[in-house]
Amino acid sequence: GAVVSQHPSRVICKSGTSVKIECRSLDFQATTMFWYRQFPKKSLMLMATSNEGSKATYEQGVEKDKFLINHASLTLSTLTVTSAHPEDSSFYICSAGDPGTSSYEQYFGPGTRLTVT
Amino acid sequence: ELKVEQNPLFLSMQEGKNYTIYCNYSTTSDRLYWYRQDPGKSLESLFVLLSNGAVKQEGRLMASLDTKARLSTLHITAAVHDLSATYFCAVEESNFGNEKLTFGTGTRLTIIP
Repeated sequence: GAVVSQHPSRVICKSGTSVKIECRSLDFQATTMFWYRQFPKKSLMLMATSNEGSKATYEQGVEKDKFLINHASLTLSTLTVTSAHPEDSSFYICSAGDPGTSSYEQYFGPGTRLTVT
Repeated sequence: ELKVEQNPLFLSMQEGKNYTIYCNYSTTSDRLYWYRQDPGKSLESLFVLLSNGAVKQEGRLMASLDTKARLSTLHITAAVHDLSATYFCAVEESNFGNEKLTFGTGTRLTIIP
């Protein structure tokens, strides 16, 4: 199947700083990518839909000024957590659909574990 | 708003036994996915179900979809310890693909030797 990578896999930052997470589709082009967050022992919650060349679509309750999304190319979307606080500590996972497959299945990145101290 | 419910939330079963995980969802959709997640890891795709009556099997796992009942099942046959993980179903709201997914609550499966 298609491969989606994330970087970094793990990051620790101090309160008040900003952290950027990258999501790349390695062997296909993705006009749309999705960002999810997962708290310990909980399910995945969609944060936003990242659209190449246009603004991201945020889910209700997600602060767009805090979670900045940039989809600058067909293989890269970035999520920047601005002025991070301990409550932003979570597992962030991106996904992308491969238009080259008949099912348009989504593939998930390996995730980024963010810890804010 | 699309709601996806799984049950049970927790399942502890002995090796060799059979069991079924259920996934109910609240709106019409023909696209349902099953994923496995190991502790500290991301999601591993298990099955993609794209039509009413779809049935797929891989090893000891079999998934089915009934879009009229808005129900999918994940059946485990003769469980082995390696199947211990958390299993999620996810529903795609559109029928065109590459749309956002709504995840179920997850079922944490523990296989006891």
